[in-house]
Amino acid sequence: AQKITQTQPGMFVQEKEAVTLDCTYDTSDPSYGLFWYKQPSSGEMIFLIYQGSYDQQNATEGRYSLNFQKARKSANLVISASQLGDSAMYFCAMRETNNFNKFYFGSGTKLNVKP
Amino acid sequence: NAGVTQTPKFQVLKTGQSMTLQCAQDMNHNSMYWYRQDPGMGLRLIYYSASEGTTDKGEVPNGYNVSRLNKREFSLRLESAAPSQTSVYFCASSDHTTNTGELFFGEGSRLTVL
Repeated sequence: AQKITQTQPGMFVQEKEAVTLDCTYDTSDPSYGLFWYKQPSSGEMIFLIYQGSYDQQNATEGRYSLNFQKARKSANLVISASQLGDSAMYFCAMRETNNFNKFYFGSGTKLNVKP
Repeated sequence: NAGVTQTPKFQVLKTGQSMTLQCAQDMNHNSMYWYRQDPGMGLRLIYYSASEGTTDKGEVPNGYNVSRLNKREFSLRLESAAPSQTSVYFCASSDHTTNTGELFFGEGSRLTVL
């Protein structure tokens, strides 16, 4: 079974609007971490945000927030006030505590921000 | 602060040729990784090294070998390249003593095997 599923291969959003990128995960480990990375067209991987499985509050980093719904095993990334520079591929990833060195990545969502 | 540096950035090989991708990090991280990225498949782990002197297979290790030369350096070798190994390769490192332990990536190496 896929550890990380991103069901939106591509999305469009109007500049200045908010957008939600979906991510669901599969694990039986009670302790795990969830990550989002951004990959612009230049190719580098940029860490955006982290959510621990025991964190009580949803993580936020500037315009990025993580909508963590543990029972549903979802970890959606919300980008508020989209900017043209947000156009990129976005990857969701998970690391299980009992397998600490293995990060599992989803297939990614390509976000296009329209002016 | 250079972070994670990998070389070369681009390489074209013929089937059967060998090559080594080099990776170095200057963040004193214990763990280092090699991933490959193919369209529509995200990143897949080839090998990782949890600490100096240890290496372990990831999801797709066949056709690759690695060496953790010291704490800073982790190389990936293709002994006999195949067209199926055409991909973008990323080296990464992480520090598991931090709260997040996120991966820090190099800029990637685009390899084409003809």
